[in-house]
Amino acid sequence: KAGVTQTPRYLIKTRGQQVTLSCSPISGHRSVSWYQQTPGQGLQFLFEYFSETQRNKGNFPGRFSGRQFSNSRSEMNVSTLELGDSALYLCASRPGLAGGAYNEQFFGPGTRLTVL
Amino acid sequence: GQQLNQSPQSMFIQEGEDVSMNCTSSSIFNTWLWYKQDPGEGPVLLIALYKAGELTSNGRLTAQFGITRKDSFLNISASIPSDVGIYFCAGLNYGGSQGNLIFGKGTKLSVKP
Repeated sequence: KAGVTQTPRYLIKTRGQQVTLSCSPISGHRSVSWYQQTPGQGLQFLFEYFSETQRNKGNFPGRFSGRQFSNSRSEMNVSTLELGDSALYLCASRPGLAGGAYNEQFFGPGTRLTVL
Repeated sequence: GQQLNQSPQSMFIQEGEDVSMNCTSSSIFNTWLWYKQDPGEGPVLLIALYKAGELTSNGRLTAQFGITRKDSFLNISASIPSDVGIYFCAGLNYGGSQGNLIFGKGTKLSVKP
C-alpha cells in the first residue's frame, strides 16, 4: 500500500507570496492532518480534515488555511508569506476519527518551504 | 503551543549499548505514539500505546504507557548504526475524535560503531 505523498518536496518563495501544498493520504484513510516543523518550535499541529470538513485547528494565524477534496486529498495554503513561515510542512493521514488504532497517524516526507 | 517534556535532548552511545528516553506531561493522554525521523524525511511510526500500564515491543524497541497516563518511555536494546535519528514522542489527550498530536522536542540519537 502506498504511503502518504506530498508535493512538491521543496519550494522557495519570497515574502508576500502565497503557496499551496498538496497531500495524498494512504488509500482508505479519510483523515488528513497538517503539521509545521521548525528547529525552534518543533512539530506543531495546524489543522485536521475529515470528510471535507475541518475538524480541529491549531494556534496559527488565518493566513494558514486548508481544504480536503472528496477523494480525501488535501491542500494547504499559506498567504502573504513571512520569513518565519520557512519550515518543513508535514501531512499525516489516519483511517478515521475513532480511538485506538485510529489514532495512529502516518506521515508523508514533507514539503520544505523556504521563504526569502 | 503545548508540548511534552522529552529527555534527554541528545545521546551519543556506542554500538551495542541500550538506550532509554522518556516523555512527561502535565496532562493526561489517552494515546502515546513514538516516531523516528531521519534527515529530510517525515516521522515514521514505531510504536503505539493505548492503555495505561501497557508495555509494547517492536523488535529491539520497547515502549510503556505510564500508569499515571502522564508519561511514557522508549527503550532500544543493543543499538546499531541505523538507529541513528531523532525520536519523538507524541500524545493525544482527547477521546480520539480529534487528531492533534502533541509532540515532544525529540531525542537525537548518535551511535558510534
